[in-house]
Amino acid sequence: EPEVTQTPSHQVTQMGQEVILRCVPISNHLYFYWYRQILGQKVEFLVSFYNNEISEKSEIFDDQFSVERPDGSNFTLKIRSTKLEDSAMYFCASSPTGSGNTIYFGEGSWLTVV
Amino acid sequence: QKEVEQDPGPLSVPEGAIVSLNCTYSNSAFQYFMWYRQYSRKGPELLMYTYSSGNKEDGRFTAQVDKSSKYISLFIRDSQPSDSATYLCAIKRAAGNKLTFGGGTRVLVKP
Repeated sequence: EPEVTQTPSHQVTQMGQEVILRCVPISNHLYFYWYRQILGQKVEFLVSFYNNEISEKSEIFDDQFSVERPDGSNFTLKIRSTKLEDSAMYFCASSPTGSGNTIYFGEGSWLTVV
Repeated sequence: QKEVEQDPGPLSVPEGAIVSLNCTYSNSAFQYFMWYRQYSRKGPELLMYTYSSGNKEDGRFTAQVDKSSKYISLFIRDSQPSDSATYLCAIKRAAGNKLTFGGGTRVLVKP
């Protein structure tokens, strides 16, 4: 069964450093997403991406964050100047259409900022 | 008022019992409803989605939506220890792509 794959599974970074989280969405999907889950809290929407541009973003997704689809298969989330409060599980997701009723998530990248 | 609310549990049931989970939401603009299962430190796994009031069945799972009451439910029949996980409801407006998640209900199925 096709799946969303994410790397790395866990990354530890120093405060102030830049981090890039990588994702390979399901191959025939057109919409891509990043969500995050701080330990013990809800899964929160960050951004959606379609046709090489951001289609929707949350208040969390400020200038510290950026997304990119550098080639035909990868989808990345860049976090600049990381802060302690950026420590969370980051989930990449994809869906075949924009109706969003079948959004599939990856296993997540656990980011620890020290 | 929170957009989506779920009882955090834990909900403990014996193996073979029916697990009953629910969510309430506050805004009638939400039109799509999903249930995800999440094991510890793993990604949410899509179980069910629906967009209309009524019941939808898939194997041991039944999703129920009551738009008039803004209330959604998930029932798991013949529960197994492997069903022990956190169950997340997620809702979406007709326009846009953003899923809004509930906080999840932790379920423990005891052998």
